[in-house]
Amino acid sequence: NAGVTQTPKFRVLKTGQSMTLLCAQDMNHEYMYWYRQDPGMGLRLIHYSVGEGTTAKGEVPDGYNVSRLKKQNFLLGLESAAPSQTSVYFCASSYELSAGRDQETQYFGPGTRLLVL
Amino acid sequence: QKEVEQDPGPLSVPEGAIVSLNCTYSNSAFQYFMWYRQYSRKGPELLMYTYSSGNKEDGRFTAQVDKSSKYISLFIRDSQPSDSATYLCAMRPNTGGFKTIFGAGTRLFVKA
Repeated sequence: NAGVTQTPKFRVLKTGQSMTLLCAQDMNHEYMYWYRQDPGMGLRLIHYSVGEGTTAKGEVPDGYNVSRLKKQNFLLGLESAAPSQTSVYFCASSYELSAGRDQETQYFGPGTRLLVL
Repeated sequence: QKEVEQDPGPLSVPEGAIVSLNCTYSNSAFQYFMWYRQYSRKGPELLMYTYSSGNKEDGRFTAQVDKSSKYISLFIRDSQPSDSATYLCAMRPNTGGFKTIFGAGTRLFVKA
């Protein structure tokens, strides 16, 4: 099993450009998440999905859009990149959250480093 | 004020030392408490999970939750250089629980 994979690993964008980050998981997880990680800020939830065809806003959704057309894939889009979106982006997946360690565990991908100039 | 506060460190200790990592939180609704370990340029991985108050031990790692003080701790015994990583605490409430709140992480260096 590959677990959670992310594409690309690193990208440099100019202000105003657009791009899509791809996340794929092979664990048949219902829930998927996009986080950004900035120094001193921890992981902040951008958007999440509780199942195929569903998406919802997290803590910092502005400037991002997502889609989950297939259960195993979760796409994060930046329509018009801004320097404030320079960050490391992590995708994660989990079972439907309920009590118990297995249900609680979020499995993270290796991250995408994005630099917006 | 952040919902979860965590000292970013860095914390540097000699090999074999006992390490104590801590987080405080403000939301009394948090019921699930986790510790994630993140190696440099990698994604976080779940290390410890605790529901409500109490202690949980797993090998060299012990997680403690004190809900009355809104304080959680992770202890690492006989620390090893391979424990050098960033440790993030995380927590979520019992309901509306897809929103897990993460601490900023504490960087730990264990010197051989």
